[in-house]
Amino acid sequence: QKEVEQNSGPLSVPEGAIASLNCTYSDRGSQSFFWYRQYSGKSPELIMFIYSNGDKEDGRFTAQLNKASQYVSLLIRDSQPSDSATYLCAVRGGGADGLTFGKGTHLIIQP
Amino acid sequence: DAGITQSPRHKVTETGTPVTLRCHQTENHRYMYWYRQDPGHGLRLIHYSYGVKDTDKGEVSDGYSVSRSKTEDFLLTLESATSSQTSVYFCAISGRTGGTNEQFFGPGTRLTVL
Repeated sequence: QKEVEQNSGPLSVPEGAIASLNCTYSDRGSQSFFWYRQYSGKSPELIMFIYSNGDKEDGRFTAQLNKASQYVSLLIRDSQPSDSATYLCAVRGGGADGLTFGKGTHLIIQP
Repeated sequence: DAGITQSPRHKVTETGTPVTLRCHQTENHRYMYWYRQDPGHGLRLIHYSYGVKDTDKGEVSDGYSVSRSKTEDFLLTLESATSSQTSVYFCAISGRTGGTNEQFFGPGTRLTVL
């Protein structure tokens, strides 16, 4: 069974600092990796995706993938209070497969 | 929400009654998905569709059926609702022609089974 593990938190980070969120996955056949942000009572919002080993940057967000270690991370630079949310890591195999999600990390940015 | 609507947004029903949730998209995406989200379990895949009339089961499909008669609509049916099906249900879409396989989520339906 495919599993995605995340530390549930809460992870508390001062405003302006770098928040580091981590995720491990069990299925070596996973091909696509996603980070979603979910505010309380809202739907998941896609913020980053990565398919290849290495880093991918988009604004204040950087996704990092290491397939050999089966590890995905998300860095948020210059953290803002509005970044406070639950961050969901998700992985996908090939084809039309649905996503397998971790249970999420609750991030709190302290003003 | 990437042109995705779900209806109803909230529903309270009684054990044993049938319930149908609707997902409608205006994005012409090929793939559609139903997930449920529960505390302590995260998001789990119920069923998905890879085209009109083409569907398959996900991780937690027992007690649920789906239908897709048009590209834009994907229905999730609970034939006889149980209290264990109280959850928040999300629809997702992916597979825009010429695009990549990211999934985008609808606003969700909160279902309570008494």
